[in-house]
Amino acid sequence: EVQLVESGGGLVQPGGSLKLSCAASGFTFSGSAIHWVRQASGKGLEWVGRIRSEANSYATAYAASVKGRFTISRDDSKNTAYLHMNSLKTEDTAVYYCTRLGNSGSYFDYWGQGTLVTVSS
Amino acid sequence: DIVMTQSPDSLAVSLGERATINCKSSQSVLYSSNNKNYLTWYQQKPGQPPKLLIYWASIRESGVPDRFSGSGSGTDFTLTISSLQAEDVAVYYCQQYYTTPCTFGQGTKLEIK
Repeated sequence: EVQLVESGGGLVQPGGSLKLSCAASGFTFSGSAIHWVRQASGKGLEWVGRIRSEANSYATAYAASVKGRFTISRDDSKNTAYLHMNSLKTEDTAVYYCTRLGNSGSYFDYWGQGTLVTVSS
Repeated sequence: DIVMTQSPDSLAVSLGERATINCKSSQSVLYSSNNKNYLTWYQQKPGQPPKLLIYWASIRESGVPDRFSGSGSGTDFTLTISSLQAEDVAVYYCQQYYTTPCTFGQGTKLEIK
């Protein structure tokens, strides 16, 4: 059974940092691209960024709203992806989901349950 | 970035009736190399992550009831629920991944009339 489990969310002050983890199981993690998508309370889905597999040079890409502040990494030996968030703003408050890009490369077939990040003083 | 616009924002349909949700992209999401539309539909119930329903505009994900169907090509797409069931109450999102960044529609909230 495919599982993605996020952790690391919590309350952080504006300007602070936080690292989210996404632990995967049930599939060949090293061969999959992992994406992060966030959702503010009562709002829609916003793509945050992605990291590709080693075969694709671990290439990363980010939404304009987080570029330069957020970094995605992965440790294939631990089947875990990470979202490093720096210089956090109140508008970064959201539930953060990690999701797997399906083999076709165009849709997200499995999602974690999400972890809540609250940026507030 | 490709802008995805859904209509309507909310929809109330009687049980057993048809529900139709539209999605329009600001540019074509049809890949000419494989003739596939990189358009996906997700269902999200309260407190849950999104669930994959339809990919490549019209392919139903395994386990999704056949009352759900997708159609369209290029820039205009439709999600249809042929006979609404109580468990279909949710927010539905379209998404394109023709190009990075992938983008989502604003969502359509489906309720029972």
